[in-house]
Amino acid sequence: DQQVKQNSPSLSVQEGRISILNCDYTNSMFDYFLWYKKYPAEGPTFLISISSIKDKNEDGRFTVFLNKSAKHLSLHIVPSQPGDSAVYFCAASTGSYIPTFGRGTSLIVHP
Amino acid sequence: GAGVSQSPSNKVTEKGKDVELRCDPISGHTALYWYRQSLGQGLEFLIYFQGNSAPDKSGLPSDRFSAERTGGSVSTLTIQRTQQEDSAVYLCASSLTWTSLYEQYFGPGTRLTVT
Repeated sequence: DQQVKQNSPSLSVQEGRISILNCDYTNSMFDYFLWYKKYPAEGPTFLISISSIKDKNEDGRFTVFLNKSAKHLSLHIVPSQPGDSAVYFCAASTGSYIPTFGRGTSLIVHP
Repeated sequence: GAGVSQSPSNKVTEKGKDVELRCDPISGHTALYWYRQSLGQGLEFLIYFQGNSAPDKSGLPSDRFSAERTGGSVSTLTIQRTQQEDSAVYLCASSLTWTSLYEQYFGPGTRLTVT
């Protein structure tokens, strides 16, 4: 049973537009959420995180929104750039335990 | 560079053979993690080492999988009697301590193909 779901395996966006990557979770005990970015032949790199006490965290072009009642979070990238093309993983954890990862969404940003 | 390194980058093996995958964490990082990513799946946690504490093996899928970490640094993941379902990318990550769990630095992975 997948506790962290990324239902869109891929997303295509025009350069300069907004990219919105979605993630749903089922475990209400999750209290920390992370996004990782992965380029081909490289390991994932940490991108941004959010604690369950917040509903928004912003870092430059990247903003993560958390809707606890809907058990949903999203990553917004504005404006999208071709270098943002990668696989994005959503992850969630309880306390400091090992995070549970989603299957990833492949983002392609067209010039 | 000073990142996490893994070897080999690719490994093709015949079903039934044993394989060893190596991970060199970032110097000074006391926590080390192994994950695997099967085709179309997310990152699946396998095992976690923290300092000299007993490892958390709760993610190992079967007793054919084992891992050790020598001297608190290099780690080896061993898969005995490999099966085709073991084919995946095996990722290693390290972090400074367990309290910085969220700041995991990943290696490039080892792509294992079992024929």
